[in-house]
Amino acid sequence: GAVVSQHPSRVICKSGTSVKIECRSLDFQATTMFWYRQFPKQSLMLMATSNEGSKATYEQGVEKDKFLINHASLTLSTLTVTSAHPEDSSFYICSARVQGGEKLFFGSGTQLSVL
Amino acid sequence: QKEVEQDPGPLSVPEGAIVSLNCTYSNSAFQYFMWYRQYSRKGPELLMYTYSSGNKEDGRFTAQVDKSSKYISLFIRDSQPSDSATYLCAMSAASGTYKYIFGTGTRLKVLA
Repeated sequence: GAVVSQHPSRVICKSGTSVKIECRSLDFQATTMFWYRQFPKQSLMLMATSNEGSKATYEQGVEKDKFLINHASLTLSTLTVTSAHPEDSSFYICSARVQGGEKLFFGSGTQLSVL
Repeated sequence: QKEVEQDPGPLSVPEGAIVSLNCTYSNSAFQYFMWYRQYSRKGPELLMYTYSSGNKEDGRFTAQVDKSSKYISLFIRDSQPSDSATYLCAMSAASGTYKYIFGTGTRLKVLA
């Protein structure tokens, strides 16, 4: 299957700092990438849909100024959590849809802990 | 009513058992169906992908889609302790928005 690389896998930061998470499709082009948040023992919560070369589409209740998404190329999307606070602590996962197809592949996730 | 319903479990089975995992859905426009396996603190891994109705087999895994009943299943034969994970169903209508709807996931534990 296609490989999606997500970095970092774990980050611990102080309250008020910004954290950037990268999501790369290694062996395919992804016109669409998705960002999710997952709380312990719960399912995936879609945060936003990231389209290459255009603005991301955010789900209701997700602050676009808080969670900045940039999809600068067909293989890279980034999520920046700005001015992180303890309530932003969570597991963040990206996924990428293979261009021209329907299969969705996931990154390995990033555990964010804000102190 | 949720678009996709999935029993959260947990489901505990002995090693070697046949496991049946299921999802029901309400949107008849769904055409693409996927099953993912997720280990704790890892990203979901695509196990099975099916378009429209029918069966698909891959090793110990069989995916079934019954669009008339709006019901999909994943069967795991000869289950192993390494199959212990959360299994998520997902589906898409491919209407142009490419929105994927996920089930809540079923936690499976295979006992040695």
